[in-house]
Amino acid sequence: DTAVSQTPKYLVTQMGNDKSIKCEQNLGHDTMYWYKQDSKKFLKIMFSYNNKELIINETVPNRFSPKSPDKAHLNLHINSLELGDSAVYFCASSQGDHGYTFGSGTRLTVV
Amino acid sequence: QQPVQSPQAVILREGEDAVINCSSSKALYSVHWYRQKHGEAPVFLMILLKGGEQKGHDKISASFNEKKQQSSLYLTASQLSYSGTYFCGPRDYGGSQGNLIFGKGTKLSVKP
Repeated sequence: DTAVSQTPKYLVTQMGNDKSIKCEQNLGHDTMYWYKQDSKKFLKIMFSYNNKELIINETVPNRFSPKSPDKAHLNLHINSLELGDSAVYFCASSQGDHGYTFGSGTRLTVV
Repeated sequence: QQPVQSPQAVILREGEDAVINCSSSKALYSVHWYRQKHGEAPVFLMILLKGGEQKGHDKISASFNEKKQQSSLYLTASQLSYSGTYFCGPRDYGGSQGNLIFGKGTKLSVKP
């Protein structure tokens, strides 16, 4: 069983479109995250959510919004996609101060 | 505040040793280390908690000096499977609100 699963694995879309990436974890972790990895491989935190508190990195445009229907899911919705949004997006989860478990990533290409 | 990792890249022959350093400008209470192979997700290696402890994972070990606000990852007798990019993720008491802010990574290439 996959611990943290993301869908889709690849996403190609045009500028201006709205898209969502889904993430589910079956580890029973209390916190979930979204990270963006750009072409230089820099892993940048976007959001963290632990069903009580949403923490948003202040540099993330408000076109990006996380949505959590329950503690096992944290989806990422992106409005009005731009070329600069092209990257690999990783979902992750953790429990307390233990290691993060990452999903396999979603490669987003905006054309 | 992003931690600083050094070196940015290192090339080794199988069996050689390497050290990757990670330093922060903030007071830390733990440091995470991850390895990411090309085209894959980062994988958790170990966490170091304050107290200067050293941990090991196979022939990979790490130390954490909270006074110096730095951690080092030691790769001993490197194997081809060690190739990848290594990220440190220090956890501080303040502005990152507990979230891991990763360094830019150290790309390790192990050649036969």
